[in-house]
Amino acid sequence: NAGVTQTPKFRILKIGQSMTLQCTQDMNHNYMYWYRQDPGMGLKLIYYSVGAGITDKGEVPNGYNVSRSTTEDFPLRLELAAPSQTSVYFCASSPRSTEAFFGQGTRLTVV
Amino acid sequence: DQQVKQNSPSLSVQEGRISILNCDYTNSMFDYFLWYKKYPAEGPTFLISISSIKDKNEDGRFTVFLNKSAKHLSLHIVPSQPGDSAVYFCASQTGANSKLTFGKGITLSVRP
Repeated sequence: NAGVTQTPKFRILKIGQSMTLQCTQDMNHNYMYWYRQDPGMGLKLIYYSVGAGITDKGEVPNGYNVSRSTTEDFPLRLELAAPSQTSVYFCASSPRSTEAFFGQGTRLTVV
Repeated sequence: DQQVKQNSPSLSVQEGRISILNCDYTNSMFDYFLWYKKYPAEGPTFLISISSIKDKNEDGRFTVFLNKSAKHLSLHIVPSQPGDSAVYFCASQTGANSKLTFGKGITLSVRP
């Protein structure tokens, strides 16, 4: 059972570069989320989606974009990477808004 | 403005004893509460939840207590095991289709 799969697991970006964090789930969940976790902090919601074609901003959306063209995929796009975006990123999915299943995370460093 | 507070960053207990992890919230509209467990280099995993219409929910060694008047919930683990050593996040939401708000987490260490 794959669950929620995130790629890559690690990435180092230079300031100003762009990248896409991939997230795929095989549980046919409607809800999908992107969180970031900074050291010593809780998870903060970046973007979420309640179904294909629908996305909405979370607490900390600036500097990111998302799309949801299919139920399975929810990529997170970073444009013009900044050191403040150094963090661990988690993708999650759920059949409703509670009890989300998380991926293993992507550790991103912007230098 | 932190709506979900886990004020103790860490807790250390002896194997076999009880672990009590606390969480406070400020938003009186929260009506569903969850605990997640996270090991290093892994994503959080759902542990246990409680609705605001209840004051206790039990699942094996894990029990969550909710005190709505005090806006406080706690997770009890008994007996504690070394494999319980992890970071525990408290999370809350308002309504069935709303987003989760997470606390900063508590690092639990269970000593053999």
